Amino acid sequence: ETGVTQSPTHLIKTRGQQVTLRCSSQSGHNTVSWYQQALGQGPQFIFQYYREEENGRGNFPPRFSGLQFPNYSSELNVNALELDDSALYLCASYRANEQFFGPGTRLTVL
Amino acid sequence: AQKVTQAQTEISVVEKEDVTLDCVYETRDTTYYLFWYKQPPSGELVFLIRRNSFDEQNEISGRYSWNFQKSTSSFNFTITASQVVDSAVYFCALSEARGTSYDKVIFGPGTSLSVIP
Repeated sequence: ETGVTQSPTHLIKTRGQQVTLRCSSQSGHNTVSWYQQALGQGPQFIFQYYREEENGRGNFPPRFSGLQFPNYSSELNVNALELDDSALYLCASYRANEQFFGPGTRLTVL
Repeated sequence: AQKVTQAQTEISVVEKEDVTLDCVYETRDTTYYLFWYKQPPSGELVFLIRRNSFDEQNEISGRYSWNFQKSTSSFNFTITASQVVDSAVYFCALSEARGTSYDKVIFGPGTSLSVIP
């Protein structure tokens, strides 16, 4: 049990739609990162937030955006969904030397 | 550019055998972190270890051990006396060290380990 929760568990959208994925981490975990994991691949870093500001970003287009809130929850928003956005989306929070991942949201784009 | 290579795509061993998962990394940074994660069939990533680039001491935790060799840019992971519950995909990862914050954790493609009873 990592204390990091994500919702929803599964989601089906159609191409062109917008989606919001949510993550809730433990109290005191000021840093949260989001990852995209396509089937059969390793997770790819999307971006990271520290105290509600983005402080690192991977090679993802601007239609991937995020928010972090004071209550240690965060959101990943994806606009104009494409078929290739189908993946497992993971969030992770940090404390000291450990990183805690949530169970992920499986997004399917049809 | 940073890169992590896990040349072994799939490994099968019989229970109680030892198995080593290889990881080779590339980075121009002098300070960085290396990680290993386990992803069981349930899908949730489980953090196993983080190692600072300045700490080349090998580490042992129960049946798990890690061999960090900076000279060959390798960070290999050995499971001793494997068990069926060890069946999972294992990822090696690398990140630049920025204070207490992580940045752009780069994952390898993963090695799928099957432990046969």
